[in-house]
Amino acid sequence: DIQMTQSPSSLSASVGDRVTITCQASQDISNFLNWYQQKPGKAPNLLIYDASYLQPGVPSRFGGSGSGTDFTLTISSLQPEDVATYFCQQYDNLPLTFGGGTKVEIK
Amino acid sequence: EVQLVEAGGGLVQPGGSLRLSCEVSGFTFSSYAMNWVRQAPGKGLEWVSVISGSGDSANYADSVKGRFTISRDNSKNTLYLQMSRVRAGDTAVYYCAKDVVVVAAATFEFWGRGTLVTVSS
Repeated sequence: DIQMTQSPSSLSASVGDRVTITCQASQDISNFLNWYQQKPGKAPNLLIYDASYLQPGVPSRFGGSGSGTDFTLTISSLQPEDVATYFCQQYDNLPLTFGGGTKVEIK
Repeated sequence: EVQLVEAGGGLVQPGGSLRLSCEVSGFTFSSYAMNWVRQAPGKGLEWVSVISGSGDSANYADSVKGRFTISRDNSKNTLYLQMSRVRAGDTAVYYCAKDVVVVAAATFEFWGRGTLVTVSS
């Protein structure tokens, strides 16, 4: 199975800060990488697909980059409504696997 | 508007069975693979199973293989997960999720709100 390692596991930042979350795959997954946002008590929501493409309706302050084994999710200017846990997910191979999540809070 | 509504969760004893369902609307159901993803309380996400749009192929996580069966009724726009020989480790919120492809599993484009399954005596 492909292991997905996210870091950090949690972070606290101020409104307006630039936030970066990383995700590392245990093997080359090309760009077969998605990012999801999960707000407390809610289902996950697709943010970024194919490593760098913004899902329609997602604010442009979210961005994704990377390929191979190293990927990044960036929030260019953190907003209060971005408080959530963020997960990466690979779909290069079954079983599909997720990172452990990064909990984002407001300082 | 795409909607996915899960049902069938509840309390089940270890070794017992339960059938989850997911009724969908807002898209052509048979044109997309469908997945089940679960989340244990306070934990991360775990992919469980996928079924192709036609229903003729399916895959499972090793943790549920041989115990769970995914199926779909395209005439009813409904996805199912038959859970058998359940264990305490199956306790989780179970989400159904629409994929972006017709075969295999890739991207969870839309999710239901989830249904909680609790395995306990």
